[in-house]
Amino acid sequence: SQQGEEDPQALSIQEGENATMNCSYKTSINNLQWYRQNSGRGLVHLILIRSNEREKHSGRLRVTLDTSKKSSSLLITASRAADTASYFCATVRGVLTAGGTSYGKLTFGQGTILTVHP
Amino acid sequence: DTGVSQNPRHKITKRGQNVTFRCDPISEHNRLYWYRQTLGQGPEFLTYFQNEAQLEKSRLLSDRFSAERPKGSFSTLEIQRTEQGDSAMYLCASSQTGPRETQYFGPGTRLLVL
Repeated sequence: SQQGEEDPQALSIQEGENATMNCSYKTSINNLQWYRQNSGRGLVHLILIRSNEREKHSGRLRVTLDTSKKSSSLLITASRAADTASYFCATVRGVLTAGGTSYGKLTFGQGTILTVHP
Repeated sequence: DTGVSQNPRHKITKRGQNVTFRCDPISEHNRLYWYRQTLGQGPEFLTYFQNEAQLEKSRLLSDRFSAERPKGSFSTLEIQRTEQGDSAMYLCASSQTGPRETQYFGPGTRLLVL
């Protein structure tokens, strides 16, 4: 089942504008990650924010995390046409397997489709 | 290129046929994952391997689905007696155990069942 819910489902902006996407989730997490997916392709990891962090930056990306509200946002500044893609948040929580090992399980939201017009 | 690779990239099959997909992870990664993604949705977890051991399977993985990772390197995902509802993108990802573990995804195999 999908843990994250993203909003908006679709966002259309002009080149140079900022784009903000939001993600809400339901259970406690170890960290939260954002991925980008170009049409019909695999996912590219953008940024990871841990549950004890409130804000992370990477280039034109800024991610915030509010664990009390169980929400995160991704801001892309000065957007470019090449930023056109689907953006997914993925929550990560530790899972103990039957074999006795643990790993971080990714659960994705439904994604936001971003279109940046030149 | 040392990223995750998947083959084939596209597969069209008739209902009832068996299909097999292959995933080659990043060579030093000990963990491998399969996901399924349908149109307009995010990827959904199917199964997880650590080395050659399959340690977790989703309830989405019906008995028609089987995955293997012999020798802890490449992995295969087989779907027997395909159904139209199996049409989706099948994504493979790999990672290396560590404190800031990140999963790296392959380009996916798009399956269409007619």
